[in-house]
Amino acid sequence: EAQVTQNPRYLITVTGKKLTVTCSQNMNHEYMSWYRQDPGLGLRQIYYSMNVEVTDKGDVPEGYKVSRKEKRNFPLILESPSPNQTSLYFCASSIYRAGTEAFFGQGTRLTVV
Amino acid sequence: KQEVTQIPAALSVPEGENLVLNCSFTDSAIYNLQWFRQDPGKGLTSLLLIQSSQREQTSGRLNASLDKSSGRSTLYIAASQPGDSATYLCALMWSSNYQLIWGAGTKLIIKP
Repeated sequence: EAQVTQNPRYLITVTGKKLTVTCSQNMNHEYMSWYRQDPGLGLRQIYYSMNVEVTDKGDVPEGYKVSRKEKRNFPLILESPSPNQTSLYFCASSIYRAGTEAFFGQGTRLTVV
Repeated sequence: KQEVTQIPAALSVPEGENLVLNCSFTDSAIYNLQWFRQDPGKGLTSLLLIQSSQREQTSGRLNASLDKSSGRSTLYIAASQPGDSATYLCALMWSSNYQLIWGAGTKLIIKP
């Protein structure tokens, strides 16, 4: 089954404790991205990757890191999480960046206390 | 700057009604527009993708239209069912930077 898989689904952590949210897709998609969703603000893009070893900042990259060492995986790293990073995070992939359908993971609800 | 607006933020209708959800945008230079469905605790599911050269797309009881000149897209849901209850989001790909710009969504409740 074609899918985007995120882990974990739910995470509660403390300020400053490094964490990684994993994302994996099995569709051989070139383009992957991370979003955060906050009430009243819609989805905002954090980082995106056009292909292996190619990443770039989205609208709200501060406090986040990503890597794309393999085509299928695109982890999101929070080196020192803060409470303002409490949010619902989505990973997405598509064949190419433009003009094609986007597939989303189930989401990761992160709470930083 | 491209802005996407979805009005209303919430809508509640009885089962069986036909309904229209609206999405408006400020810059007509778009590459495509997608409608998504989001269920609580789940990810987003793509419903329909309209390329900038198209006027509408249909899938089952769903029909999405695109009018770039007026900066509007609508999602028409025929014969609504309780299972259609979800939040519906529109997202357009802006031609200037190939970035997806999102509306805040319309929360739809279909009452049995």
